[in-house]
Amino acid sequence: GIQVEQSPPDLILQEGANSTLRCNFSDSVNNLQWFHQNPWGQLINLFYIPSGTKQNGRLSATTVATERYSLLYISSSQTTDSGVYFCAVEKYTGANSKLTFGKGITLSVRP
Amino acid sequence: EPEVTQTPSHQVTQMGQEVILRCVPISNHLYFYWYRQILGQKVEFLVSFYNNEISEKSEIFDDQFSVERPDGSNFTLKIRSTKLEDSAMYFCARGTGVYEQYFGPGTRLTVT
Repeated sequence: GIQVEQSPPDLILQEGANSTLRCNFSDSVNNLQWFHQNPWGQLINLFYIPSGTKQNGRLSATTVATERYSLLYISSSQTTDSGVYFCAVEKYTGANSKLTFGKGITLSVRP
Repeated sequence: EPEVTQTPSHQVTQMGQEVILRCVPISNHLYFYWYRQILGQKVEFLVSFYNNEISEKSEIFDDQFSVERPDGSNFTLKIRSTKLEDSAMYFCARGTGVYEQYFGPGTRLTVT
């Protein structure tokens, strides 16, 4: 199956700093999503981005499908950005579809 | 997009007991999924359900697990005889099979 690797595993930032989170995947994919898992354990959809670049406020993401990686940028980080960030990919095989998650990046933003 | 809801939010059960986790309400979607996340680990795929049938299941989804849509809207995951290692957060997700998946808030299952 597809392998998903995220780096770095842990990241500590001072409030206001910028950061880049990386996701590498081992095969071509049809779907790539970034999630933020909040302290209550909920998975919040950040981006659906199988290719290209998207921006939503202080967050933006870029996926270079041909090189099999995606980047999540967080600018002017806030303490509420803390949590675990997951990248998940999906390769369609007929009627079957499932997301394969990376191990996540734990982000701590300090005031 | 309408959210996926799950009940209960937290369930505590004794080892060997049956539990049913519910994903409600769901409308106008063909693809449903269950995922599991053991504390501190990554999210893992359990099963996908398409057109009222299981379309794919992982190695985790053994004979102790079953899924169904008993009334055409609710989507349930049943664990017949829970084990300690079944303690995890269980997420229901919906999708169209082509675009993004949307996850419910999860049910935290604690087996004692």
